[in-house]
Amino acid sequence: DTGVSQNPRHKITKRGQNVTFRCDPISEHNRLYWYRQTLGQGPEFLTYFQNEAQLEKSRLLSDRFSAERPKGSFSTLEIQRTEQGDSAMYLCASSPQGARDTEAFFGQGTRLTVV
Amino acid sequence: KNQVEQSPQSLIILEGKNCTLQCNYTVSPFSNLRWYKQDTGRGPVSLTIMTFSENTKSNGRYTATLDADTKQSSLHITASQLSDSASYICVVSAKSGYSTLTFGKGTMLLVSP
Repeated sequence: DTGVSQNPRHKITKRGQNVTFRCDPISEHNRLYWYRQTLGQGPEFLTYFQNEAQLEKSRLLSDRFSAERPKGSFSTLEIQRTEQGDSAMYLCASSPQGARDTEAFFGQGTRLTVV
Repeated sequence: KNQVEQSPQSLIILEGKNCTLQCNYTVSPFSNLRWYKQDTGRGPVSLTIMTFSENTKSNGRYTATLDADTKQSSLHITASQLSDSASYICVVSAKSGYSTLTFGKGTMLLVSP
């Protein structure tokens, strides 16, 4: 499977715990995006990487959220001290250099449930 | 503020029937518009992309239209199948910025046997 891969697919955690999600983009794609999607809503932008550089962050990305893409390949999204409001689907997408913005390929997402 | 509004919010149709989903946007400056299909619990998958100069584009049983003057797009599904049951999301891209994708909330389509 050469698509965008996200792990884990599901995560249940207790409030206050830290969680980390991983995204492996399509190998030749240098752009990587993180989105959050709550039930009945469209995805909301969280952050964007071009290679290893984090070029844009949404105001949704509070201090408890941090994302990295250390070698310009896979990326991780960490949420510290999780809250119930963090429960959502976290989607990762990638696109190649020069692609029009909407040519993003999405992963299956990681569904987070904070109890 | 860039916005994408979709209607209806949800729709139930009988298998074999046609339906049309609407998307109105206020994204500027407009670059292109893409329709995604999202199955429950899965990531969105692109169906078609519309650029400023394109009015109609078909992909199998899916036909998308774009009116750049009125800033409206539609997605028409013909001869619906049970597998068409999903959320259909309209995504509009602006010309400037890195992550200038504005997502609609989607239309939840249920095709009933």
